[in-house]
Amino acid sequence: AQSVTQPDIHITVSEGASLELRCNYSYGATPYLFWYVQSPGQGLQLLLKYFSGDTLVQGIKGFEAEFKRSQSSFNLRKPSVHWSDAAEYFCAVGARSTGFQKLVFGTGTRLLVSP
Amino acid sequence: KAGVTQTPRYLIKTRGQQVTLSCSPISGHRSVSWYQQTPGQGLQFLFEYFSETQRNKGNFPGRFSGRQFSNSRSEMNVSTLELGDSALYLCASSATGTPNTGELFFGEGSRLTVL
Repeated sequence: AQSVTQPDIHITVSEGASLELRCNYSYGATPYLFWYVQSPGQGLQLLLKYFSGDTLVQGIKGFEAEFKRSQSSFNLRKPSVHWSDAAEYFCAVGARSTGFQKLVFGTGTRLLVSP
Repeated sequence: KAGVTQTPRYLIKTRGQQVTLSCSPISGHRSVSWYQQTPGQGLQFLFEYFSETQRNKGNFPGRFSGRQFSNSRSEMNVSTLELGDSALYLCASSATGTPNTGELFFGEGSRLTVL
């Protein structure tokens, strides 16, 4: 069975500083990997995904993530954080056998942006 | 294009009652997935419906059920409510076939409180 670990519950970053959110997954084969963002009172929005191919994937809002098979990681990065990026970020993994609809989510990392 | 619509947005029930939540997917999307989000357990997959058939199922008791109609609208039902069923229930729709973006489009959720 798949599992996802997001070791940081909260992260505070100054506006304009760089950001890296960590995600480690457990799965026997190459998984589908996702990062979703949830603003307060909202549903989730997809930032980016990895299915195959280039291990560095670009997403919306200036985010990128790198799939590292050897480390079972899929860390999310942004070079310069904006105050509007404050939200909760979820890493998720899906099995190729069950598709991208049945996802296992991490516990989330809440991003706070300080002025 | 209208997004995923969930009704009702908020509801309060008492233990032992049952509840039905509704989800209207994005037009043209035939897959609808349901997730439960709680502070303790995080986001957990309930089930996925495609063309009126349950295609995937999570690890929830039989009190949780769902269905999908021919217009792709979906409902989920929880019978004999327990306090632990208090949660935000998120519906997500997705396209299948070509083009398939591998993206779940989430609604804003139905917040259920069980007293």
